[in-house]
Amino acid sequence: GAVVSQHPSRVICKSGTSVKIECRSLDFQATTMFWYRQFPKQSLMLMATSNEGSKATYEQGVEKDKFLINHASLTLSTLTVTSAHPEDSSFYICSAPSQGLAEQYFGPGTRLTVT
Amino acid sequence: AQSVTQPDIHITVSEGASLELRCNYSYGATPYLFWYVQSPGQGLQLLLKYFSGDTLVQGIKGFEAEFKRSQSSFNLRKPSVHWSDAAEYFCAVAYSGAGSYQLTFGKGTKLSVIP
Repeated sequence: GAVVSQHPSRVICKSGTSVKIECRSLDFQATTMFWYRQFPKQSLMLMATSNEGSKATYEQGVEKDKFLINHASLTLSTLTVTSAHPEDSSFYICSAPSQGLAEQYFGPGTRLTVT
Repeated sequence: AQSVTQPDIHITVSEGASLELRCNYSYGATPYLFWYVQSPGQGLQLLLKYFSGDTLVQGIKGFEAEFKRSQSSFNLRKPSVHWSDAAEYFCAVAYSGAGSYQLTFGKGTKLSVIP
């Protein structure tokens, strides 16, 4: 089946620094990828839709200048958390949709801790 | 707007007992429905999905779910729960948006299993 990877799986950074998270589709191409955030004991909330070759689409309430998304190729999307603060600490999960179908393939997630 | 309701935040069952996790959705068109399982600190694993056809769908790990359009429900069931089934379960509905399908998740149901 289709595999999506994320790197790193876990990152700790200091407040004010930036962190980049990579999402890769390993055996298929993805013109679209999704980024979710999951706070402890809560559900997944869609942050943005990443589009290859064009700007990302952000959900209401998500700061596009803080969460920079770049979809540089058909297999790679990156999420950069700029000027991170402790409240940005969360579990970030990416996904890529199957071609023409409603199913999404999820990455294993990245645990971000901002100290 | 689409929404997914999982009315049970936490369910505890004894090992070997049967299980039913409830899910109700609100969506104007024909829904694409999913159940995912998440172990602590891990990503999402797809248990099963419904797109069309037989309303009783079989998934992995002995799970099944039944789509009932009249009740807008997609409840997950398992006849005999194993201790390893303890995890968080999410119901989701896919809807078409901006050229691709997006997922809306329920808030999740945490399953605890008593040995």
